[in-house]
Amino acid sequence: AQKVTQAQTEISVVEKEDVTLDCVYETRDTTYYLFWYKQPPSGELVFLIRRNSFDEQNEISGRYSWNFQKSTSSFNFTITASQVVDSAVYFCALNVPGTASKLTFGTGTRLQVTL
Amino acid sequence: GAGVSQSPSNKVTEKGKDVELRCDPISGHTALYWYRQSLGQGLEFLIYFQGNSAPDKSGLPSDRFSAERTGGSVSTLTIQRTQQEDSAVYLCASSSRQGSYNEQFFGPGTRLTVL
Repeated sequence: AQKVTQAQTEISVVEKEDVTLDCVYETRDTTYYLFWYKQPPSGELVFLIRRNSFDEQNEISGRYSWNFQKSTSSFNFTITASQVVDSAVYFCALNVPGTASKLTFGTGTRLQVTL
Repeated sequence: GAGVSQSPSNKVTEKGKDVELRCDPISGHTALYWYRQSLGQGLEFLIYFQGNSAPDKSGLPSDRFSAERTGGSVSTLTIQRTQQEDSAVYLCASSSRQGSYNEQFFGPGTRLTVL
């Protein structure tokens, strides 16, 4: 069985602070895919990133960066110099081949960025 | 349209009534997914379609829930004899093909309230 844990329920930061959202996953499979999605107040989930289990290179996209560490089964997400528009609920998700591509989601972390 | 659309956006019903929720995937997307987002429960997988067939119905919570897809496009999720615990946001997603690597594109959801 697969499981994703996002221990941080809610985080509040002041604009321009850096913030890291934690994600820990569990799976017995050696091949799997990890995702991050953003859910702004409008409600629509927006895809942010996908990584496969064989690629542990960290990735940076603008103010966003992701740290994938298989040794600790973590796939953390950092926002640098946060902005008010980053306020949303962020979900980490896991997908394992052979499970019909269904995503197993964490419970989400609500990020509130204030001025 | 460019994205996944769902209707209605909001549905309020009385306990015991049947409801139908509709999903229009992105044109050409062969894989379609239904998820449920409940307060405090996170996002849970309900059912998956590849074309018109549903190889994975494992997430349907009870036999009151059913779904169909016709013409490889529009899908309808039906909940019979609704209960208050069915209150949630029902999200639909589609992807260009089945496979763990492919990101899923989500619709805005249907908020169901059962009184």
